[in-house]
Amino acid sequence: KAGVTQTPRYLIKTRGQQVTLSCSPISGHRSVSWYQQTPGQGLQFLFEYFSETQRNKGNFPGRFSGRQFSNSRSEMNVSTLELGDSALYLCASSLAVYRGTDTQYFGPGTRLTVL
Amino acid sequence: KNEVEQSPQNLTAQEGEFITINCSYSVGISALHWLQQHPGGGIVSLFMLSSGKKKHGRLIATINIQEKHSSLHITASHPRDSAVYICAFGSGTNAGKSTFGDGTTLTVKP
Repeated sequence: KAGVTQTPRYLIKTRGQQVTLSCSPISGHRSVSWYQQTPGQGLQFLFEYFSETQRNKGNFPGRFSGRQFSNSRSEMNVSTLELGDSALYLCASSLAVYRGTDTQYFGPGTRLTVL
Repeated sequence: KNEVEQSPQNLTAQEGEFITINCSYSVGISALHWLQQHPGGGIVSLFMLSSGKKKHGRLIATINIQEKHSSLHITASHPRDSAVYICAFGSGTNAGKSTFGDGTTLTVKP
């Protein structure tokens, strides 16, 4: 089975621009969670989608949004980019609604640099 | 972030040494995860624990739910074990919102 894939792997944007990142979960997995990792804050939960519905959301401003499609692929969007949005963005998939009691499979991440 | 504390923050060991990484948390959880992150970013899930102990090869993970503490042990450490080890658990509504420790950076020297 193919693993979780994320595109693009690297991205450079300038302040004020917007960006869309994509995540394709493992085939059959219906839950996709997104995380931001920075040297200062570590790993932080952004949001989780299951069956096209956002089920949980972390403490991020409204500039961060996401969606999930009927094939379980997910996208996250960051509008009006700020320097502090430079980070590794990871997505992870799991078979069912993620309740903390099953294994998540992580993608390789998208490294976003905001100049 | 103070819901979970990992120690030590950094750890350097000689090949063959026994390694222990600790994770303490302050909230009720259903399960705790140990993750491994190699340089470059990829994260692999090592263990999910809800009680007791699990072993996989040279890695052993234990958890004491009552004391809200978990440990990850590596026996006969090897340079390829060099990575960041992170503990994590689900919290929030339906426990679908993950909380992560700050990670322990392990360097094993040959």
